[in-house]
Amino acid sequence: DAGVIQSPRHEVTEMGQEVTLRCKPISGHNSLFWYRQTMMRGLELLIYFNNNVPIDDSGMPEDRFSAKMPNASFSTLKIQPSEPRDSAVYFCASSFRGARTEAFFGQGTRLTVV
Amino acid sequence: AQTVTQSQPEMSVQEAETVTLSCTYDTSENNYYLFWYKQPPSRQMILVIRQEAYKQQNATENRFSVNFQKAAKSFSLKISDSQLGDTAMYFCALLGTGTASKLTFGTGTRLQVTL
Repeated sequence: DAGVIQSPRHEVTEMGQEVTLRCKPISGHNSLFWYRQTMMRGLELLIYFNNNVPIDDSGMPEDRFSAKMPNASFSTLKIQPSEPRDSAVYFCASSFRGARTEAFFGQGTRLTVV
Repeated sequence: AQTVTQSQPEMSVQEAETVTLSCTYDTSENNYYLFWYKQPPSRQMILVIRQEAYKQQNATENRFSVNFQKAAKSFSLKISDSQLGDTAMYFCALLGTGTASKLTFGTGTRLQVTL
C-alpha cells in the first residue's frame, strides 16, 4: 500500500479564496483524522470519521472549515473563505480499529494564506 | 475525555547514549493503544512504536523500547545507542478502541542528538 496520500503537498492562496485539501486513506482503514499543526498550538485534532461518518467535529475552529468523507477511500477538508491565520500544516491520518490498530499519517499539506 | 501529557519540551543526548522520554495519559476506556511518533525536520509523522494496553509485555522495536505502567498511566520511550538521525520531535499518542474514540496527542518533546 502507498500509505496515506495527501494532496497538494503545498498550497499558497490569497485571503478570501476557497481551499480544498484532499486525503486518500490506507485501503481497509475505517477511521480517518484531520489535524492542524502550528508552532503555537501544536497538533490539533479538527475532525474524525469512523466508517465514513463524522464522529466529532468539535475541533473545527470555525464555520469556514468543513470536511467530508463521501466514501472509504477519500476525504476533503475545505476552508472557505481562507484567512492568513489558517496558515499551517494539515495532516490526515487513518487507522484500522481491529486486531492490530495502528494509525498512519500522510505527508501533510503546508498551507500558506497571504 | 482523553489527555496525553509530555512534560519535557526539549531534551538532549549524546550520540551512542541512552535517553528516556516521558509520557503520562488519562482515559476512561479500559482498552486502548499507545503510540510514539517521530517527526523529523521533513515534518513526516513516523510511527516508532505501539503498545496495546491489554498486553503487559513492553513493546520493543530495535533500539526503541517502552516502559508501560498501566496503573500509573505512564508510557515512556527509551532510545538506546542514540544516533544523529534520531534528532526529531517525538509525540506520544493514545487511541481508544471505541468507535467514537479519537487519536489524542501530547505536545511533543524535541530531542537533539549531539556528537
